[in-house]
Amino acid sequence: QVQLVQSGAEVKKPGASVKVSCKASGYTFTGYFMHWVRQAPGQGLEWMGWINPNSGGTHYAQKFQGWVTMTRDTSISTAYMELRSDDTALYYCARGTAAAGSFDYWGQGTLVTVSS
Amino acid sequence: QSALTQPASVSGSPGQSITISCTGTSSDVGGYNYVSWYQQHPGKAPKLMIYDVTNRPSGVSNRFSGSKSGNTASLTISGLQAEDEADYYCSSFTSTTTPYVFGTGTKVTVL
Repeated sequence: QVQLVQSGAEVKKPGASVKVSCKASGYTFTGYFMHWVRQAPGQGLEWMGWINPNSGGTHYAQKFQGWVTMTRDTSISTAYMELRSDDTALYYCARGTAAAGSFDYWGQGTLVTVSS
Repeated sequence: QSALTQPASVSGSPGQSITISCTGTSSDVGGYNYVSWYQQHPGKAPKLMIYDVTNRPSGVSNRFSGSKSGNTASLTISGLQAEDEADYYCSSFTSTTTPYVFGTGTKVTVL
């Protein structure tokens, strides 16, 4: 069965960066785009960007350009997102569907707390 | 790219039907048949309920259905059950430089 397992909660200081991982299993990792979605406390969902695990190509939402870097390691079927923003939020990875219109499997979420 | 507009809350009694709207523009909802709906229970990850406007993934109850007219998409939940109480978000592909946008979210309460 398809599973996306994310790394645990992080606490980071303002100005520091943090790297969140998303390990995929149960399907061919390179066959589907991986997306990242942000959810601030008590707020809605916000699309951040995608990575094509096959080519490594990325596309970021305009709002997050310069604040996020998405990478992957195909040898261990894992996608990564490195964040440099100072927003406390929950970050999800989500697999894109083959038709590219939706997100069919989601990770459990990783809470990144910014605190000095 | 602005978020798609959803009502903040919708409520209904068990067994009733409710409909949640999702209004966008011709650059997103109205321009593509790539509208999807997600259910999110408190403390849980979102779950795909409807994709490509009207399609249900395997395992999703047929009490959930989707439709679209012009720039507005809708999710209907029939035979409302206590377990349907959750937040619901729509999403659409867009023609802008940010290719995906979510709705503002709707809290469904079962009375």
